[in-house]
Amino acid sequence: KNEVEQSPQNLTAQEGEFITINCSYSVGISALHWLQQHPGGGIVSLFMLSSGKKKHGRLIATINIQEKHSSLHITASHPRDSAVYICAVIGGTSYGKLTFGQGTILTVHP
Amino acid sequence: DADVTQTPRNRITKTGKRIMLECSQTKGHDRMYWYRQDPGLGLRLIYYSFDVKDINKGEISDGYSVSRQAQAKFSLSLESAIPNQTALYFCATSAGSSTIHPNEQFFGPGTRLTVL
Repeated sequence: KNEVEQSPQNLTAQEGEFITINCSYSVGISALHWLQQHPGGGIVSLFMLSSGKKKHGRLIATINIQEKHSSLHITASHPRDSAVYICAVIGGTSYGKLTFGQGTILTVHP
Repeated sequence: DADVTQTPRNRITKTGKRIMLECSQTKGHDRMYWYRQDPGLGLRLIYYSFDVKDINKGEISDGYSVSRQAQAKFSLSLESAIPNQTALYFCATSAGSSTIHPNEQFFGPGTRLTVL
């Protein structure tokens, strides 16, 4: 079993829908990273979370440390949100190194 | 200009050739990382460096070597390339010091390497 599991692996939505991507992890962590990878390949940092909730535009990320779970929400989805969303954790004993989930492929249709 | 750059962006080479991928950053970060990405396997850490004098193996370092020439430069070498090293390679940096998120990583644009 991977230390970081994302669900779903693939997600298709219609423009305007509310989207949730989940990330569960099995190790103690100091922080969790949400990343976005566009079809061209580049990887962009969306959020870094240690607790609670963060919001940036239409993106919201939450983390529950006790339940070892994080969610990434996209409100009013748009075709330009189509990308791979990657969850990564920084473990308590692997200072600075990320452990990645497999990624969630999101496709938003107009 | 991009904060983290990688050269080349695409490379096709033949089995047995020596290849060097270069990474430069203008973020002033101490920590640098090399990852490879394969379809279905996600990102995997090859090597990482926490400062100029510090080099560490990641989970898949066999067949690779690195050089940290300066704080801003971190190169990845394939001494004798083989086809299963065909992948997308990413360099990343993190501050590793007193910032709000010292471990937040910033990625280069990637190098697509094909070994024939």
